[in-house]
Amino acid sequence: QSVLTQPPSVSAAPGQKVTISCSGSSSNIGNNYVSWYQQLPGTAPKLLIFESNKRPSGIPDRFSGSKSGTSATLGITGLQTGDEADYYCGTWESSLSAWVFGGGTKLTVL
Amino acid sequence: EVRLFESGGGLVQPGGSLRLSCAASGFTFSSYGMSWVRQAPGKGLEWVSGSGNNIYYADSVKGRFTISRDNSKNTLYLQMNSLRAEDTAVYFCARGGGTNTMDVWGQGTTVTVSS
Repeated sequence: QSVLTQPPSVSAAPGQKVTISCSGSSSNIGNNYVSWYQQLPGTAPKLLIFESNKRPSGIPDRFSGSKSGTSATLGITGLQTGDEADYYCGTWESSLSAWVFGGGTKLTVL
Repeated sequence: EVRLFESGGGLVQPGGSLRLSCAASGFTFSSYGMSWVRQAPGKGLEWVSGSGNNIYYADSVKGRFTISRDNSKNTLYLQMNSLRAEDTAVYFCARGGGTNTMDVWGQGTTVTVSS
């Protein structure tokens, strides 16, 4: 059981928009930045969003992040088949002094 | 180019030990915290340990695993003792430790604990 809760799967058509939620508590998302990672099949995770809403260099602006209270959201617009991957949220859990991840969300681009 | 390369994985019997290494290049290694994250077959990401201003461990590995680093060799280590079947996973090293995000990841090394 993950400390952060994500939907197991989401799907949308190419060109459409999708959002992935990440729900936590005051001891993690509520008081710390959130990161989002993309993991394509058979590869290492890749940072998409850091500090809740910032994109690293090279990440297209189709990817966006937001945070409100104890929840965070990853948005992806203009979906492409190459976006099919597992997406994970992560943040620092202050009560455990540990980094925690959500269970992951599998994105299917129909 | 920033790169991380893990090595040292393999097959080990329950109760055995293994030491993983992560060779870093392309950045000033000593200036960054570093972390280990694992992924069991078909499962999600699980943070294992981080080394920033302090050292932190997941409860599942506390007392069995030890994170360390040699800044002169730009290398991060994970000493794993008393290994269990549930430690079977791909182990990734990542740049960033403690409360900081992990921004660069290695390709991973596979650890299998089985008799």
